[in-house]
Amino acid sequence: GAVVSQHPSWVICKSGTSVKIECRSLDFQATTMFWYRQFPKQSLMLMATSNEGSKATYEQGVEKDKFLINHASLTLSTLTVTSAHPEDSSFYICSANLLRTDTQYFGPGTRLTVL
Amino acid sequence: GENVEQHPSTLSVQEGDSAVIKCTYSDSASNYFPWYKQELGKRPQLIIDIRSNVGEKKDQRIAVTLNKTAKHFSLHITETQPEDSAVYFCAASVDSGYALNFGKGTSLLVTP
Repeated sequence: GAVVSQHPSWVICKSGTSVKIECRSLDFQATTMFWYRQFPKQSLMLMATSNEGSKATYEQGVEKDKFLINHASLTLSTLTVTSAHPEDSSFYICSANLLRTDTQYFGPGTRLTVL
Repeated sequence: GENVEQHPSTLSVQEGDSAVIKCTYSDSASNYFPWYKQELGKRPQLIIDIRSNVGEKKDQRIAVTLNKTAKHFSLHITETQPEDSAVYFCAASVDSGYALNFGKGTSLLVTP
């Protein structure tokens, strides 16, 4: 089946620093990727839709200047959490659709802890 | 926007019993309804999905039913096993290639 990878799997950083998370579709091309955030014991909340070659579409309440998304190729989308604060600590998961199918494949997630 | 409600939030069953999780959605334009299983610290894994032109779909011990008129869909797991213990999420989307709107999840515990 289709595989989506994320890197890193976990990261610990100091408050005020920036962290970049990569999402790759390993064996298929994805014109659209999605970024979700999941707090402990909660559901997945859509943050933004990442479109290859164009600007990302952010959900209401998500600061686009804080969560920078770049989708420079058909297999890679990056999420940069700028000036991270402890409240940004969460599980960030990306996903992508295999073209012409319904199935949305999820990456393994990145656990971000901001001290 | 789409609002997906999921019940119950927790469910405990004895091994071998059936488990049913129910979801409702608000947007009549939604036509794709997947169910995901997520184990602690892991990625969500698709276990079954259904489109709005189908009323029921079954895959071994797992089945999903959809009532488009009432805007609700349900997950049925029969002959539950301890390894079925996990958090289950329902979701809705207007079509493939679009973002998923998730329910809040159901923590299922299957006790031996």
